[in-house]
This record gives sequence, C-alpha cells and structure tokens, in this order.
Amino acid sequence: GAVVSQHPSRVICKSGTSVKIECRSLDFQATTMFWYRQFPKKSLMLMATSNEGSKATYEQGVEKDKFLINHASLTLSTLTVTSAHPEDSSFYICSARAGRGRGGYTFGSGTRLTVV
Amino acid sequence: GESVGLHLPTLSVQEGDNSIINCAYSNSASDYFIWYKQESGKGPQFIIDIRSNMDKRQGQRVTVLLNKTVKHLSLQIAATQPGDSAVYFCAENMGDTGTASKLTFGTGTRLQVTL
Repeated sequence: GAVVSQHPSRVICKSGTSVKIECRSLDFQATTMFWYRQFPKKSLMLMATSNEGSKATYEQGVEKDKFLINHASLTLSTLTVTSAHPEDSSFYICSARAGRGRGGYTFGSGTRLTVV
Repeated sequence: GESVGLHLPTLSVQEGDNSIINCAYSNSASDYFIWYKQESGKGPQFIIDIRSNMDKRQGQRVTVLLNKTVKHLSLQIAATQPGDSAVYFCAENMGDTGTASKLTFGTGTRLQVTL
C-alpha cells in the first residue's frame, strides 16, 4: 500500500534556529501533499497544501514566511520552520493522496518539534 | 465555517462492549467522510470511509453511519478491544475530486478501553 515517510520523528532545537521536516511518498508519486499541525489533545489543523513545482497554498492565519514549504519533486515535500520559537513547538504531520482507495490519504508518522 | 479543534472528549468503554463515537461536521457541501484512528505520537490511520450517497457502511468490526440531515457522523466499533484505545477523528472532504482536495478534521474523541 501507499507509504509516506516523515523525518525526523523528533527534533529539539534552540530558539532562533530553523528546522526542516521531510515528507516522502515511498511508492507513489504525489503532486499534492498536505501539512498539518497538532497541539496536545487537539485536532489536526491544516497549515498548507504543498504543490509540486509551484507555490504552496497556505490556510488563513498561517505565516508563509515562517513555515516555508518546498515541493521540488513528485515524492518529496519539505516544511522548514524558520526562526523557531517555543510557541512553534508542536506535532507536525504530512499527508499525501495516492488515489481513491482506503480514503486515499496516507499520513506520515509525524514530527515532534520542541523549541527550547 | 470549518470544524475547529476543541478539547478532546473521552469515551470510556469496557472491553467487549460496543463503542459509538460521534462527530458533527460543519460543511453541508461535504460529500466524502473518513474516520481515522490516531495513537499517541503517530499519524492518523485510516479506518473507514463513506460517501454522501450512502447512509451506512460496514467494515470489519466497524460501521459508519451518516445522517446528512443533521450533519452527523458516527463510528461504531463492535466488541471493543484494548488495542482500540486511541483518539478517533472524523474528517470531511468537499468533493472527492482528486489529489488536491483537502481534508478538514473534526474535534476528535479519545476512546479508553477498560478491562
């Protein structure tokens, strides 16, 4: 079945630094990937839609200069949290849609970001 | 409007009993719905889906019911097992129109299975 690999699973960084999270579709091509953010005991909130070869589409209230998304190939999207602050600490999850089976949306295992 | 995440409600069920998890969706134009299971520290895992032209769909030990009149979705888990303990989310999609169509997640419910 469709597999999405997300890396790293956990990262701790200092305030002011940038962190890059990778999302790869392993056995299918994904022209579109999605990035979500999840706070503890909360639901998943869509941050942006990553489009291969073009600019990402950000949801209202998400700072595009803060959360840089690059979708350079059909199997890789990256989310870079720039100048990270403690309030950026969260669980970030990517997903991609391989097709229409089993909901079609395959999720990565998530990245726990802690900014100290 | 869109579904907004709120504090997770909890459902406690005894092992072997049936569980019913409810979800109210917000967009009357949504026509495709998915239930996900999320274990701690992991990404969501597909459970079952349903399109708006149906009101019931069954899988292995799970059943999804859709009531479009009141915009309500439910997930029934038969003979609940300890391994079912997780957070369950419903997600809605406005038109299963291809890979670019995005999902909006509901509040979520934590299911705790007691022995």
